[in-house]
Amino acid sequence: QVQLVESGGGLVQPGGSLRLSCATSGFTFIDYGIHWVRQAPGKGLEWVAFIRNDGSNKYYADSVKGRFTISRDNSENTVYLQMNSLRPEDTAVYYCARRSAYCTGNSCNSFDSWGQGTLVTVSS
Amino acid sequence: QSALTQPASVSGSPGQSITISCTGTSSDVGSYNYVSWYQQHPGKAPKLMIYDVSNRPSGVSNRFSGSKSGKTASLTISGLQAEDEADYYCSSYTTSSTWVFGGGTKLTVL
Repeated sequence: QVQLVESGGGLVQPGGSLRLSCATSGFTFIDYGIHWVRQAPGKGLEWVAFIRNDGSNKYYADSVKGRFTISRDNSENTVYLQMNSLRPEDTAVYYCARRSAYCTGNSCNSFDSWGQGTLVTVSS
Repeated sequence: QSALTQPASVSGSPGQSITISCTGTSSDVGSYNYVSWYQQHPGKAPKLMIYDVSNRPSGVSNRFSGSKSGKTASLTISGLQAEDEADYYCSSYTTSSTWVFGGGTKLTVL
């Protein structure tokens, strides 16, 4: 079955860096784009970033643009989120989610499988 | 990239129907039929319930349905059951090639 497993979260000081990983299995990785979505404690979901299946295009929320970088290793079936210049407001559970297999034509704009999340805490 | 607007909470009794609204702008909900809905139980990952406004993924109960008019999308749950109690989020693709979520709605089954 489809599985996504996040790792790499933890406590980091403001201004610090962290790299999250999203290891996947159960599907043909190279056929799917992957999103990162975060959820601050007690708050709602916030879309963070997306990378296309071949890594050719990357998209970011304004709140993380210039600080976060999404990448993927298609030989390892893994997506990464490099987070630099971290701020207290980046504190959240970070989920990776698969671009949906449910599509209209070539447009697949929902998130059909999610990992369990990894907690990032930015605090001094 | 402002969040879509959802009511903070809705409630209903078992067997009743409820509707959750999701209001966006001409840059997201109003531009595309790419609204999706997610159910999230406490401490769990979100689950896709509706995609592309009104389509159900396989395995999702037909008690869940979606619609859209202009800049507002809606999720309706009929025949409410205790296990439907959860947080619900809408999402839309945007004209900036990004995605945006709603603030979330807490559903209480009385």
